[in-house]
Amino acid sequence: SQQGEEDPQALSIQEGENATMNCSYKTSINNLQWYRQNSGRGLVHLILIRSNEREKHSGRLRVTLDTSKKSSSLLITASRAADTASYFCATDGDRDDKIIFGKGTRLHILP
Amino acid sequence: EPEVTQTPSHQVTQMGQEVILRCVPISNHLYFYWYRQILGQKVEFLVSFYNNEISEKSEIFDDQFSVERPDGSNFTLKIRSTKLEDSAMYFCAIRVGEQFFGPGTRLTVL
Repeated sequence: SQQGEEDPQALSIQEGENATMNCSYKTSINNLQWYRQNSGRGLVHLILIRSNEREKHSGRLRVTLDTSKKSSSLLITASRAADTASYFCATDGDRDDKIIFGKGTRLHILP
Repeated sequence: EPEVTQTPSHQVTQMGQEVILRCVPISNHLYFYWYRQILGQKVEFLVSFYNNEISEKSEIFDDQFSVERPDGSNFTLKIRSTKLEDSAMYFCAIRVGEQFFGPGTRLTVL
């Protein structure tokens, strides 16, 4: 399957530090997306990167994509307490449009 | 960003009962999806719906599940006879380039 798998599973950092989360997947993709989910809440779309893109920025977020390694990273710079959440990568394939989520990284920002 | 609402936000039901979860996109869309997330687990694809018919469904989406757009705007997921293991968050999504998710319905089956 084209399942995304994030690592680490959990990450705790001090407020102000940068947080990096990684995602790996198995098959070819059209797009890779990152979502945030606060505990028990909905999924918030953060950023989409297309298979022909290598890097994308949005505010404090920086996403990279390496299709040769089938991996992506999400960097959150200057972390804040409000960034505490679970972060999921999700991929969609070249033959279908459903997206497949990874298990997520639980990020905890320490004050 | 397209807005998607879901009702109810929380549904509690007895095992064996039928439930209908509703999704209301604010504007017209062609592509709809349902996903579910069992507590503590990852989000799983259930079904995609395009041009008023199912385009793809997962193994989870068995005969107990059905989807429809009864009035051209609402998009519903029906579970005919709920089981304990159906307890989960159910998310509706629409696609406009990327997929945008509704806030979810928390279904609790007792």
